[in-house]
Amino acid sequence: EAAVTQSPRSKVAVTGGKVTLSCHQTNNHDYMYWYRQDTGHGLRLIHYSYVADSTEKGDIPDGYKASRPSQENFSLILELASLSQTAVYFCASTGGGNERLFFGHGTKLSVL
Amino acid sequence: QQKVQQSPESLTVSEGAMASLNCTFSDRSSDNFRWYRQHSGKGLEVLVSIFSDGEKEEGSFTAHLNRASLHVFLHIREPQPSDSALYLCAVRMNYNQGKLIFGQGTKLSIKP
Repeated sequence: EAAVTQSPRSKVAVTGGKVTLSCHQTNNHDYMYWYRQDTGHGLRLIHYSYVADSTEKGDIPDGYKASRPSQENFSLILELASLSQTAVYFCASTGGGNERLFFGHGTKLSVL
Repeated sequence: QQKVQQSPESLTVSEGAMASLNCTFSDRSSDNFRWYRQHSGKGLEVLVSIFSDGEKEEGSFTAHLNRASLHVFLHIREPQPSDSALYLCAVRMNYNQGKLIFGQGTKLSIKP
């Protein structure tokens, strides 16, 4: 079974601090995505990537950076965490075409 | 820029009655449509995927895609209280390197 692993599962960060969320997939997928979900709402696309060493901006990239150093790994970086970035973050991967999208379990980030 | 909108924002239906959810998108070149369900505090569960105009049935879930009118519907036959959840529509653009956008969700409640 294909897998997407996110770490950490939860994190408490201080305002102004740096936060790195990691995502690792063993699916040999080209496409990877980072979304944030605020309580009771849908997923909003932050950054995505379709090939290693390249990232694309999603709909809400401000305040976030992304890094795809290899096909398997895709990180989301908050250089200066802010209160408004408190949310659950989901990573996902797919092989493209009509292939299924696989999600990680999510990372609950609380910025205090 | 691709927009994905879901309606209604929330919906209450009696147990056993049909529930119908709507998702509209702005780009006719979109080629990949999925409906997900998310129970409170849980991950995303894919319900049905559809890639061409018409209907696709998966158990009690039927997706109906009409690309000309920019709509994809989800019909839930004989819903149970356990179907109460947040329902999310996801749309992929067939260009723009696989950008995948979610709607804001419909909160469905099934009354016993």
